[in-house]
Amino acid sequence: AQRVTQPEKLLSVFKGAPVELKCNYSYSGSPELFWYVQYSRQRLQLLLRHISRESIKGFTADLNKGETSFHLKKPFAQEEDSAMYYCALAGRGKLIFGQGTELSVKP
Amino acid sequence: EPEVTQTPSHQVTQMGQEVILRCVPISNHLYFYWYRQILGQKVEFLVSFYNNEISEKSEIFDDQFSVERPDGSNFTLKIRSTKLEDSAMYFCASSGVADSTDTQYFGPGTRLTVL
Repeated sequence: AQRVTQPEKLLSVFKGAPVELKCNYSYSGSPELFWYVQYSRQRLQLLLRHISRESIKGFTADLNKGETSFHLKKPFAQEEDSAMYYCALAGRGKLIFGQGTELSVKP
Repeated sequence: EPEVTQTPSHQVTQMGQEVILRCVPISNHLYFYWYRQILGQKVEFLVSFYNNEISEKSEIFDDQFSVERPDGSNFTLKIRSTKLEDSAMYFCASSGVADSTDTQYFGPGTRLTVL
């Protein structure tokens, strides 16, 4: 079965601290994985996807097929990073989302 | 930058009533989607649509739901007889292709409240 798991509902860190938002997936095949972000009262926006291997707003994510993980990392969190983060798996044109992790960055 | 738009932003209806949620996808996109998010739960896929027909639908998308592209710009989701459990945020999305590597662009959502 195709599934995405984000084990943390809420992650609270101080400004400048490293951040890691966890994402594990279950998929039989070669996965295409995405991170979407939703800032307060705004739409879901693509943050990054594993095929592009880009770093957006300082965030990176590496696909680890052995651990079936796609954790999102940032070395130094900023207050403006506070948002909901969703990991998503693309399968046959549809997205399967995790539960989401709320990141709160405190000053 | 072009965006997906959705109307209304908030819809309140009585149980058993029909509702139509509207979306205007990005103009050169060919693939359209509806997702929903019940409060406190994950975003769930409902249906995908291409070339004037449903490509795929989830088990949530039962006979109470239908989608339509009535003209060259709008994409609608109709719920025939709303239930309390239909209360959720409904997101429309569009993409240029249905390839799994393509980005889906989301609208701001319509909050549906069924009383």
